[in-house]
Amino acid sequence: NAGVMQNPRHLVRRRGQEARLRCSPMKGHSHVYWYRQLPEEGLKFMVYLQKENIIDESGMPKERFSAEFPKEGPSILRIQQVVRGDSAAYFCASSLRTSGSYEQYFGPGTRLTVT
Amino acid sequence: AQKITQTQPGMFVQEKEAVTLDCTYDTSDPSYGLFWYKQPSSGEMIFLIYQGSYDQQNATEGRYSLNFQKARKSANLVISASQLGDSAMYFCASSGSARQLTFGSGTQLTVLP
Repeated sequence: NAGVMQNPRHLVRRRGQEARLRCSPMKGHSHVYWYRQLPEEGLKFMVYLQKENIIDESGMPKERFSAEFPKEGPSILRIQQVVRGDSAAYFCASSLRTSGSYEQYFGPGTRLTVT
Repeated sequence: AQKITQTQPGMFVQEKEAVTLDCTYDTSDPSYGLFWYKQPSSGEMIFLIYQGSYDQQNATEGRYSLNFQKARKSANLVISASQLGDSAMYFCASSGSARQLTFGSGTQLTVLP
């Protein structure tokens, strides 16, 4: 009974390169959330997706960042032309239900370092 | 909009004693949920406990209990019989009509032997 999977766990990119982060939700979960944690801070919401739909991207930077959750395969968070300020831990979470009690279960995170 | 305030950047507790981590929240949603997560030094986020705004009783999960005081808008986490493995960062979070979680700034708990 695998939990939320994220890969890679650590990613190093040079400024200007693209970073691609993957998230496979828990089995049966169709709701995926991406959060970013800057050093010494709490997690900040970025985007909420269901299969083939972006539900809420109010926390996504307007440029360079995009996310998708295709019908088949993992959810992808893509950061184009990375800058040093993108260095952070990126967490994916999944949940089962849309109303009432709905715990979000987190993956182990991807630590992105931009050099 | 949701806002979570954790006023204790760091806390110390003696092993086997109980400790309370404070959390206050602000929300305009009539229905909301409150969560606590643990983040050890390894970095993963571990779900601990959930309280719904309409739940009549305080949530409990093993050694964790949530002291929910709706009128005061507080959702404090109580850890009983602290263990060395409880040393970690603890985050309070809330959710409402928007499904995403809003996190506080966290409390670093250190359990002393």
